[in-house]
Amino acid sequence: GAVVSQHPSWVICKSGTSVKIECRSLDFQATTMFWYRQFPKQSLMLMATSNEGSKATYEQGVEKDKFLINHASLTLSTLTVTSAHPEDSSFYICSASSFVGTNRHYEQYFGPGTRLTVT
Amino acid sequence: EDKVVQSPLSLVVHEGDTVTLNCSYEVTNFRSLLWYKQEKKAPTFLFMLTSSGIEKKSGRLSSILDKKELSSILNITATQTGDSAIYLCAVVRDKIIFGKGTRLHILP
Repeated sequence: GAVVSQHPSWVICKSGTSVKIECRSLDFQATTMFWYRQFPKQSLMLMATSNEGSKATYEQGVEKDKFLINHASLTLSTLTVTSAHPEDSSFYICSASSFVGTNRHYEQYFGPGTRLTVT
Repeated sequence: EDKVVQSPLSLVVHEGDTVTLNCSYEVTNFRSLLWYKQEKKAPTFLFMLTSSGIEKKSGRLSSILDKKELSSILNITATQTGDSAIYLCAVVRDKIIFGKGTRLHILP
């Protein structure tokens, strides 16, 4: 299956600083990338949907000025957590997706996740 | 409002038992339904279901979609301790909507 990478795997930062997380699809071009966050013992919560070359669509309750998403190419999306606070500590997961083939078969692949701890 | 509901929320069984996990949905513009297994990190893909009534199988795991009932089940037979995980159901429209997951614990 396709590979999606995230960098970094784990980051600890001080309150008030900004953190950038990269998501790359390594062997296919992703028309859409999704960003999720997951708190302990909870399901994935979609934060935003990002299409290459256009502005991200944020889910209700997600601050777009705080979670900046850039999807500059078909293989790279970045999530920047600006002015991070302890409550932003979470597991951030990206996924890359594409409709492929003549039947427009939907494929989605998850990155391994980035654990953010804000002290 | 679109929603995906999984049941049960949590399940504990003994090794060797068979389990059935449920997923029901109310989603506009349904495209497909996905099952994932999540252990310590990001979810890993199990099945994608688009057509009603066609069972997908992978080893001891199988899944089927019922579009009339707007639901899907995931079966695991002869469970092993390595099957302990959270099983997530997700429905694809123009985005993906996840259920809250079923936490499965297999006792040795």
